[in-house]
Amino acid sequence: DGGITQSPKYLFRKEGQNVTLSCEQNLNHDAMYWYRQDPGQGLRLIYYSQIVNDFQKGDIAEGYSVSREKKESFPLTVTSAQKNPTAFYLCASSMVAPYEWGNEQFFGPGTRLTVL
Amino acid sequence: DAKTTQPPSMDCAEGRAANLPCNHSTISGNEYVYWYRQIHSQGPQYIIHGLKNNETNEMASLIITEDRKSSTLILPHATLRDTAVYYCIVIRRGNQGGKLIFGQGTELSVKP
Repeated sequence: DGGITQSPKYLFRKEGQNVTLSCEQNLNHDAMYWYRQDPGQGLRLIYYSQIVNDFQKGDIAEGYSVSREKKESFPLTVTSAQKNPTAFYLCASSMVAPYEWGNEQFFGPGTRLTVL
Repeated sequence: DAKTTQPPSMDCAEGRAANLPCNHSTISGNEYVYWYRQIHSQGPQYIIHGLKNNETNEMASLIITEDRKSSTLILPHATLRDTAVYYCIVIRRGNQGGKLIFGQGTELSVKP
């Protein structure tokens, strides 16, 4: 089945440690995204990538880093510089097309990160 | 992108139609209306989108007013599994591969 996988579903880390969240898709989508969601809030964009080996900062990129070495994979590293990393992290992907289909994003199940 | 306004919460009886409104009075001619929903602790799910004509798919119908300043998402026969937060998003055509701006959405509770 085609889709997006994120692992793990729950992640616990000690303060000051870097942690990498995995995101893999087999939808053959060019674009991939990382969002953060805090309780009772909407999603906020951290980073996005429209093509392999290229990515752009979103609205809240500080304290995060990404890589896009393969079309299928877009890992997110939460660094110790992120002041409040505890949140629900969502990865998404979409086509990049001449029309509006790039706006139909497919989301993974999310990773809930808790920093102790 | 145009800002949207949605009621924070709504209730609906199971089996009845759920009508979720969205105001987007500053929408411009090249912007689409998209609807997503997010079931608790899951990733959002695309539902439907439209430009100016009414649209229908297997999940829902989208009614856009003639002046395009507001729209209504209709779930014709709501079930308990439709309980979720529904987001109305206005997106510029050509935003391919770009960011979506999720507001607070409407929390729909479908009750037995």
